[in-house]
Amino acid sequence: EVVLTQSPATLSVSPGDRATLSCRASQSVNFNLAWYQQKPGQAPRLLIDGASDRATGIPARFSGSGSETDFTLTINSLQSEDFAVYFCQQYHIWPWTFGQGTKVDNK
Amino acid sequence: QVRLQESGPGLVKPSQTLSLTCTVSGGSISRGGYYWNWIRQRPGKGLEWIGYISHSGNTFYNPSLRSRVTISIGTSDNQFSLNVTSVTAADTAVYYCSRAIGSSPPRYWGQGTLVTVSS
Repeated sequence: EVVLTQSPATLSVSPGDRATLSCRASQSVNFNLAWYQQKPGQAPRLLIDGASDRATGIPARFSGSGSETDFTLTINSLQSEDFAVYFCQQYHIWPWTFGQGTKVDNK
Repeated sequence: QVRLQESGPGLVKPSQTLSLTCTVSGGSISRGGYYWNWIRQRPGKGLEWIGYISHSGNTFYNPSLRSRVTISIGTSDNQFSLNVTSVTAADTAVYYCSRAIGSSPPRYWGQGTLVTVSS
């Protein structure tokens, strides 16, 4: 199965900063990569699919890029409500798999 | 607005069968084009895709769980179900149901239900 490795495990940032999260796949997943945000006690929330397409209702400060094996989620001008865990997920090769997550916390 | 809600026992004994139901409102489960998913999140670990079912009943299971998992369209209106047999403590997790358009990432998720496997 495709292994997704996210880095860093924890990212400490301040409100207003830019956060850059990485996801690397063990083999090419083309553009079939999504990003989710998860807060404690909640289900994951879809942010990005197709590597760079924002889901409906997602603020423009969230952007995704990359293809094949290397992907990035960027959060510009981070807001207080953005402190959460972020997961990447590939849907190119079954079984679909998730990365282990990056926690974005307040510096 | 589509809503999904998981239900089922919160405690299951080892070696028994875990059974969960997902009730869907705001959209028909029999409508074509959607895949209905089960995903779990074990404590301290990441998310794991268990499998999914199409409106016509076609199923795809994670190979790591295939021998123990069954996903089916429920006999009651707008429900689908998950059965996991021969459970162990390693099956303790929050279980989520979700809806996706085809194989695309699911946008709609249930709130999740914690199932603990313990005697």
